[in-house]
Amino acid sequence: AQSVTQPDIHITVSEGASLELRCNYSYGATPYLFWYVQSPGQGLQLLLKYFSGDTLVQGIKGFEAEFKRSQSSFNLRKPSVHWSDAAEYFCAVGPLENAGNMLTFGGGTRLMVKP
Amino acid sequence: NAGVTQTPKFRILKIGQSMTLQCTQDMNHNYMYWYRQDPGMGLKLIYYSVGAGITDKGEVPNGYNVSRSTTEDFPLRLELAAPSQTSVYFCASSTRGRNEQFFGPGTRLTVL
Repeated sequence: AQSVTQPDIHITVSEGASLELRCNYSYGATPYLFWYVQSPGQGLQLLLKYFSGDTLVQGIKGFEAEFKRSQSSFNLRKPSVHWSDAAEYFCAVGPLENAGNMLTFGGGTRLMVKP
Repeated sequence: NAGVTQTPKFRILKIGQSMTLQCTQDMNHNYMYWYRQDPGMGLKLIYYSVGAGITDKGEVPNGYNVSRSTTEDFPLRLELAAPSQTSVYFCASSTRGRNEQFFGPGTRLTVL
């Protein structure tokens, strides 16, 4: 069965510092991979997605992620964090066409930014 | 273009009460989904629909029902509310299965 693991439940970084959020997945086929961000009290907004091709994917708000098949990872990075990046981040894999096109989500990583 | 809208934003129910969570999208998407979000658990799929008149169960369907009479609307029904249904509910839509999903702002439901 497919699964997504985000090992870090909470991360705190200083404003201006670099950021890497980890995501590991288990999936029986070529995965579609997504990173979503959820600001407090809001819905989920797509940051970036990987379907195929270049393994380094650029997203909105200065984020990027790298797909590494050998490590089953899709880590999210940002070179310089802004206070407005404080939010919860979700990695997702799928959709599975034989299971309702379901996205499988990780448990999320809550990012806090110190001034 | 409002995207995916959900009503209400908040609701408190008593055990055994029923309610309908509304979801509407104006992007002409065929696929629609209902997820619930519990702390530290990510999102779990409750029900989904691939088009008007077609619905199917997701990962956690017990205690819920859905209908899809139009492309735009996908309401979620709770018939006998239980404390275990306290959660945040998100509706989403997509153009087809293997594509990004667009999420509504969520409904926070508390069952006491």
